[in-house]
Amino acid sequence: DAGITQSPRHKVTETGTPVTLRCHQTENHRYMYWYRQDPGHGLRLIHYSYGVKDTDKGEVSDGYSVSRSKTEDFLLTLESATSSQTSVYFCAISAGQGTEGEQYFGPGTRLTVT
Amino acid sequence: AQSVSQHNHHVILSEAASLELGCNYSYGGTVNLFWYVQYPGQHLQLLLKYFSGDPLVKGIKGFEAEFIKSKFSFNLRKPSVQWSDTAEYFCAVNIVGYSTLTFGKGTMLLVSP
Repeated sequence: DAGITQSPRHKVTETGTPVTLRCHQTENHRYMYWYRQDPGHGLRLIHYSYGVKDTDKGEVSDGYSVSRSKTEDFLLTLESATSSQTSVYFCAISAGQGTEGEQYFGPGTRLTVT
Repeated sequence: AQSVSQHNHHVILSEAASLELGCNYSYGGTVNLFWYVQYPGQHLQLLLKYFSGDPLVKGIKGFEAEFIKSKFSFNLRKPSVQWSDTAEYFCAVNIVGYSTLTFGKGTMLLVSP
């Protein structure tokens, strides 16, 4: 399962509060990704990282920030959560050494913003 | 921008029926192609992948897919589905040289016993 864990697994928070989701991997993969999954939209990329302190935006990055201070951890922050950010969030790693390996996914975090 | 289309949002089959799920992408250059499966309440798992070579690729659990470059397609097939194949299936495309995947919106497959 590529050694990926996510925390928390479930969270309920109120509109306007900050939220940080954590992705942790144990296999020293260079590339890490954050996606959100919503019915009818499939998976959409929020941000990704190609190394420590190296990140880039994805398709739906507005309202989200990320940080990667260690190879093994990739954090996703919602600075001020909104109801539209209610979703299931998946972290993934790329298996290859370059850019083109298949991705493996963590178990997901179900976030509800009330 | 790259896009991935999955033609059927919902498919209902009886056990032992044959399955074919369509996937088309819009990029004209070199791509890597993937099918993922998501069982209820679980995360995405890789079913199969195509990087190069034989355009007919075999994956886990009896699934296979065929890459037809001229049609920009990568359809998923299984000759005989089982109730346990009930899941959502996602096609994904990587443009060679780029580090991201673009996913289709998914096809929900329901197999009735």
